[in-house]
Amino acid sequence: AQSVAQPEDQVNVAEGNPLTVKCTYSVSGNPYLFWYVQYPNRGLQFLLKYITGDNLVKGSYGFEAEFNKSQTSFHLKKPSALVSDSALYFCAVRDGAGGFKTIFGAGTRLFVKA
Amino acid sequence: DAGITQSPRHKVTETGTPVTLRCHQTENHRYMYWYRQDPGHGLRLIHYSYGVKDTDKGEVSDGYSVSRSKTEDFLLTLESATSSQTSVYFCAISLAGDNEQFFGPGTRLTVL
Repeated sequence: AQSVAQPEDQVNVAEGNPLTVKCTYSVSGNPYLFWYVQYPNRGLQFLLKYITGDNLVKGSYGFEAEFNKSQTSFHLKKPSALVSDSALYFCAVRDGAGGFKTIFGAGTRLFVKA
Repeated sequence: DAGITQSPRHKVTETGTPVTLRCHQTENHRYMYWYRQDPGHGLRLIHYSYGVKDTDKGEVSDGYSVSRSKTEDFLLTLESATSSQTSVYFCAISLAGDNEQFFGPGTRLTVL
C-alpha cells in the first residue's frame, strides 16, 4: 500500500530565507508525486508534480521540488520565502503500479515571519 | 478556478440522519474524488470515481456511499450521520489518474 509522510507539523522561517518542507513516500511501483497548498479559509491549489524526467521540478509561485529515488523523498523548496507563502502544504503520492488512489500527507504548516 | 461547485457549503445535522453532499463539475473530467479534511490527518480519500457508474473505495469509506450517474455530478451520502463524520469535505477532479487534481471550495459538515 502506498503511504506518504510529512515529518514536520510546522516549519518556521524568516522572510527572505530559503525554505524546505519535507516529504517521504512509499509505493510499490513508480511514484507520481504532487505538492498542494491551502491558504487560510481557502481550498487546495496544485503547486507542482513529478511523474518522470528531471528530478528537479519547478512549479507555481517560485516553488520547486527535488525527487530523490534512493531516499524516497520529494522535498518542497523555495530559495527566498515570502510572508504570503504562509499556508498549509500537502504532499501527495499515487502508485504508478496501478489504481487511481492518491494518498495525502497530514500536512505541514509553514509560517514565514517578516 | 476550475469549474467545481459543492453544495451545500455548510450543513448542520443530527446524529442518525442521512446526508447527501453534491459535487458538480463543468470541466468534463473523468476522475472525481471525495476527501475529508481533519486536523492532524490531512486529507483522507473517502471514495473516488473513474467514470460514470465506476466508483471505488478509498482509505476511509465506512459509513459513506457514492453515486455517479452523470459525468458532471458525484454525490456523497452519509447513510446515518455520526459525530465522527463532522469534518470538512472536499471534492476534486482530474483529467486523468496521473494528473493533478483540482479542488472544490469544500463543505463544512457538523453532526450534533
